[in-house]
Amino acid sequence: QSALTQPASVFGSPGQSITISCTGTSSDVGAYNYVAWYQQHPGKAPKLLIYGVSNRPSGVSNRFSGSKSGNTASLTISGLQAEDEADYYCSSYTYNTFVAFGGGTKLTVL
Amino acid sequence: EVQLVESGGGVIQPGGSLRLSCAASGFSFDDTTMHWVRQAPGKGLEWLSLITWDATTTYFADSVKGRFTISRDNSKNSLYLQMNSLRPDDTALYYCAKDFGSGSSPPYYLDDWGQGTPVTVSS
Repeated sequence: QSALTQPASVFGSPGQSITISCTGTSSDVGAYNYVAWYQQHPGKAPKLLIYGVSNRPSGVSNRFSGSKSGNTASLTISGLQAEDEADYYCSSYTYNTFVAFGGGTKLTVL
Repeated sequence: EVQLVESGGGVIQPGGSLRLSCAASGFSFDDTTMHWVRQAPGKGLEWLSLITWDATTTYFADSVKGRFTISRDNSKNSLYLQMNSLRPDDTALYYCAKDFGSGSSPPYYLDDWGQGTPVTVSS
């Protein structure tokens, strides 16, 4: 069982916005601004999308944004495109386990 | 361009050992904290271990502590994962990944990943 809880699946239509939640506890997501998000297309390696809750690495589209409130972090994808269909994982630093991943969310673009 | 190429995976019997390697290029390997992460078939990501740039600090997930060892050879730009006492639930694709930083303190962000090497533990 993952330390961080994500919805198993989310759906959206092209052009819409969707949000994926990542719920932790006051010992991880709530305690540190060390949340990251990764995108993984089928058969490919994960790619860092967001770090430090809301920062984008160079080259990542500004359609991807991150935020946090309390023990829950969120990834929002605006202007959905077919190429955004992928699995998304959140992660957070935790004192005891160092790096915790969420269980992953499969995004389907209808 | 950052390149991380894992090797050493294969089919191994339960209780056996395997050593994975990760050849790194395109960045200052000897200045960078490195990680191993695995993904069981059809499952999510599981962080396994990290090693700081100078190998003075290593951390492990509870699931592999005492069975797996992480090491590096900065002269060869290489990262290793020695896996002992392998179990069927160790079956997964094993990724090496580089961290944003070099030290042992958080945060830990994995900003480049290899393509992974598959490990199957089965009799």
